Amino acid sequence: DAGVIQSPRHEVTEMGQEVTLRCKPISGHNSLFWYRQTMMRGLELLIYFNNNVPIDDSGMPEDRFSAKMPNASFSTLKIQPSEPRDSAVYFCASSLMVVEKPEKLFFGSGTQLSVL
Amino acid sequence: QKEVEQDPGPLSVPEGAIVSLNCTYSNSAFQYFMWYRQYSRKGPELLMYTYSSGNKEDGRFTAQVDKSSKYISLFIRDSQPSDSATYLCAMSASGAAGNKLTFGGGTRVLVKP
Repeated sequence: DAGVIQSPRHEVTEMGQEVTLRCKPISGHNSLFWYRQTMMRGLELLIYFNNNVPIDDSGMPEDRFSAKMPNASFSTLKIQPSEPRDSAVYFCASSLMVVEKPEKLFFGSGTQLSVL
Repeated sequence: QKEVEQDPGPLSVPEGAIVSLNCTYSNSAFQYFMWYRQYSRKGPELLMYTYSSGNKEDGRFTAQVDKSSKYISLFIRDSQPSDSATYLCAMSASGAAGNKLTFGGGTRVLVKP
């Protein structure tokens, strides 16, 4: 298995531009998570999906952020418009969730986003 | 105050030494406790997973949970240079909130040959 695949690995953009991050979870996993990691705030959960349905988006910082999961094998995180404070590493993770307890998360290698 | 506190380090030790890491937390609802290891430019990977209080051992790694003190620890015996990484603790409550992990900020560990 190739693991969780994220693209792009690096993204450099200018303030005000739209940014789209992509994630392919591990086949067979039914839950997908988007995290953001910064030096100041550490690893923060932005949103998670179960069976392609958004369950909790309370971590999404503001309306500029949106996430979709059109099918079990693909998810996007979009920032529009982007701002310099959005610069961070964005991780996608997936898991096979059976009951309401944390299951092992498998993380992708992340997307390093720099907004100039 | 953060819900989970973790010393950022760096923690530098000689090869073969015992590495001792810990986290404190404030939310008494946390029932599940995990340690993740993160190498540079990689995503975190799960090392240890424990439920409620007690100890768990896996090879060179030992995880301890003291819920009465809201304190968890990870010990790495016979440390190797390949153990150099950032170690993040993570915690979760049970029930519907169990799907959400709260991470510590991570402790950077350097094991010198």
